[in-house]
Amino acid sequence: NAGVTQTPKFQVLKTGQSMTLQCAQDMNHNSMYWYRQDPGMGLRLIYYSASEGTTDKGEVPNGYNVSRLNKREFSLRLESAAPSQTSVYFCASRYTADYGYTFGSGTRLTVV
Amino acid sequence: RKEVEQDPGPFNVPEGATVAFNCTYSNSASQSFFWYRQDCRKEPKLLMSVYSSGNEDGRFTAQLNRASQYISLLIRDSKLSDSATYLCVVNRQTGGFKTIFGAGTRLFVKA
Repeated sequence: NAGVTQTPKFQVLKTGQSMTLQCAQDMNHNSMYWYRQDPGMGLRLIYYSASEGTTDKGEVPNGYNVSRLNKREFSLRLESAAPSQTSVYFCASRYTADYGYTFGSGTRLTVV
Repeated sequence: RKEVEQDPGPFNVPEGATVAFNCTYSNSASQSFFWYRQDCRKEPKLLMSVYSSGNEDGRFTAQLNRASQYISLLIRDSKLSDSATYLCVVNRQTGGFKTIFGAGTRLFVKA
């Protein structure tokens, strides 16, 4: 009954540090996504992977990289964190667009 | 103008009230529609898909009006536990497939 699992749940970084957010789903979904959510901005797509072996940029990809490690796992990397990347990050997956998303519980990231 | 727009609210209603939210979309090529709810500091969760003929799930009814390009969510007999933000989500195909989230409508149900 796991669904989408994200780690870590909270993280504080100093400007310039790097980190990787991990995401795994056990629903055999083809597509996986990374979103960020900021107050007043709604959910914005960072990167997505429509299927294993492919990744594409979303609305706000700058400063991020992703890896679709296998069908289950999709990681998001911040190479050099900036205060503007302070946000809540959600990983999501779906079987197809007709089925809606299942979201992970989120990572609250603060960059100081 | 945003492609998907929602009244941000907040809507403040007493328990037992009926409340309705609308969500307008600007692209007529929009294909599929969803309502999600998001509790404070939690992830969005799929509430229901919206079908062309309208659909109901317990106290929740979703409608689609393609001519006027909006979807609606009706909540009957509101419960305290319905307090949340309701997100409208639209999929459209033109210019490449895209999923667009509305900014959400905040609902407070009071005792």
